[in-house]
Amino acid sequence: AQTVTQSQPEMSVQEAETVTLSCTYDTSESNYYLFWYKQPPSRQMILVIRQEAYKQQNATENRFSVNFQKAAKSFSLKISDSQLGDTAMYFCAFMHRSSNTGKLIFGQGTTLQVKP
Amino acid sequence: EAQVTQNPRYLITVTGKKLTVTCSQNMNHEYMSWYRQDPGLGLRQIYYSMNVEVTDKGDVPEGYKVSRKEKRNFPLILESPSPNQTSLYFCASSPDGGRGYGYTFGSGTRLTVV
Repeated sequence: AQTVTQSQPEMSVQEAETVTLSCTYDTSESNYYLFWYKQPPSRQMILVIRQEAYKQQNATENRFSVNFQKAAKSFSLKISDSQLGDTAMYFCAFMHRSSNTGKLIFGQGTTLQVKP
Repeated sequence: EAQVTQNPRYLITVTGKKLTVTCSQNMNHEYMSWYRQDPGLGLRQIYYSMNVEVTDKGDVPEGYKVSRKEKRNFPLILESPSPNQTSLYFCASSPDGGRGYGYTFGSGTRLTVV
């Protein structure tokens, strides 16, 4: 069975600093998608970034970037120039490319606090 | 505004009293799904619907029912709620099953069953 593991339950970072959230996953498939979702205190789930496994290039969205290591099954999220609004719980998620269920497999989440 | 609307936002109920959590999307998405979020477990899929003709169980369907009579609505029904269904519930929709665009999530329903 596919699993997603986020080993850091909580993290904190100073405003304007850089922080990296870790995620590892387990699958026997070669084609899949990986996502990072952000859940601020408002509870709204917001897509931060998406990576397709067949693409070698790491995805980037403004201050958010990933380090995708397919062989190591690792998918970390780097937040540069952290802002107070980045305070949230972050979920790593996995989906098979061939999935017809649309099922996202989520990690346990990492709570990030950005300190002023 | 493109959105997924869930109601209610908070709900406290008693064991065994049937309830329905409504979900509606205005983006003409084919895919809709329900997840529950529990501490330390992340989100887990309850049910999904590929379109109005196809609905099926996810990983944790026990105690839940869904209905997809029209494309925009996908209510979650708890026929006889129990305390272990106390959780945070999310409805989500996508034009392509979440692959290309991810899912648009509702704002969640915090359910407490006493």
